[in-house]
Amino acid sequence: TQLLEQSPQFLSIQEGENLTVYCNSSSVFSSLQWYRQEPGEGPVLLVTVVTGGEVKKLKRLTFQFGDARKDSSLHITAAQTGDTGLYLCAGEDNYGQNFVFGPGTRLSVLP
Amino acid sequence: NAGVTQTPKFQVLKTGQSMTLQCAQDMNHEYMSWYRQDPGMGLRLIHYSVGAGITDQGEVPNGYNVSRSTTEDFPLRLLSAAPSQTSVYFCASSYSTGQVIYEQYFGPGTRLTVT
Repeated sequence: TQLLEQSPQFLSIQEGENLTVYCNSSSVFSSLQWYRQEPGEGPVLLVTVVTGGEVKKLKRLTFQFGDARKDSSLHITAAQTGDTGLYLCAGEDNYGQNFVFGPGTRLSVLP
Repeated sequence: NAGVTQTPKFQVLKTGQSMTLQCAQDMNHEYMSWYRQDPGMGLRLIHYSVGAGITDQGEVPNGYNVSRSTTEDFPLRLLSAAPSQTSVYFCASSYSTGQVIYEQYFGPGTRLTVT
C-alpha cells in the first residue's frame, strides 16, 4: 500500500511570512497533485507535477517534485489570509487509476 | 456547467438504516470516485469507476455499494448504516490530460452522521 505523509500537520503564521510544507512517501508515484480545501467545501486542484525534479509556480506558490518522485514540497511566499486552508497532496498510483491522499497540512494565516 | 453535484448536503441516520448518496457530473468525465474524509486521515477511496458499467473497490469499500449505469451518475449506497460511517463523503470526477494524469474535480460533500 502506498502511503503519503505530510508535515507539519498544523501551521499558524503571520501574514507576510514565508512557509514550506512537505509531502513524503517511501513509494514512487507517477504524478503528484496538490489541493487546497476550505471548510465545508471539496478540495480544489492547485497543480499536478509529473517529472522528477519538476518545479511549477502558481503566483506566490512554488511546487517541487522530488528527483525520485517520492516526495514534494509546497512553498508559499508572503502568505496572505486567503491562503488559509487545508493543503492536501495526492499521489497517483502505478496503475494510473487511483490517487492516495496524505492527511493534510492545516494552514492558518493571521492578519 | 454545474461541475460535480452531490445531494444531500447533510444527513442524519439511525444505526441500521440505509440510504443513497447522489453524485452527478456534467463534464462527460469517464472516471468517478467516492472518498470519505475523517479528521487527521485525509481522503480515503471507497469505490471508483472508470466508465459506465464498470466499478471497482478502493481502500475502504466495506458497507458501501456503487453502480454506474450512466456516465453522469455515480450513487453511493450505505446498506446498513453504522456509527463508524459517520464522515464527510466526497464524490470526484476526472479526465485524462493525455499523459495518464487524472485531474480530479470534487463535489461539495455530504456530511453524514450515524447515531
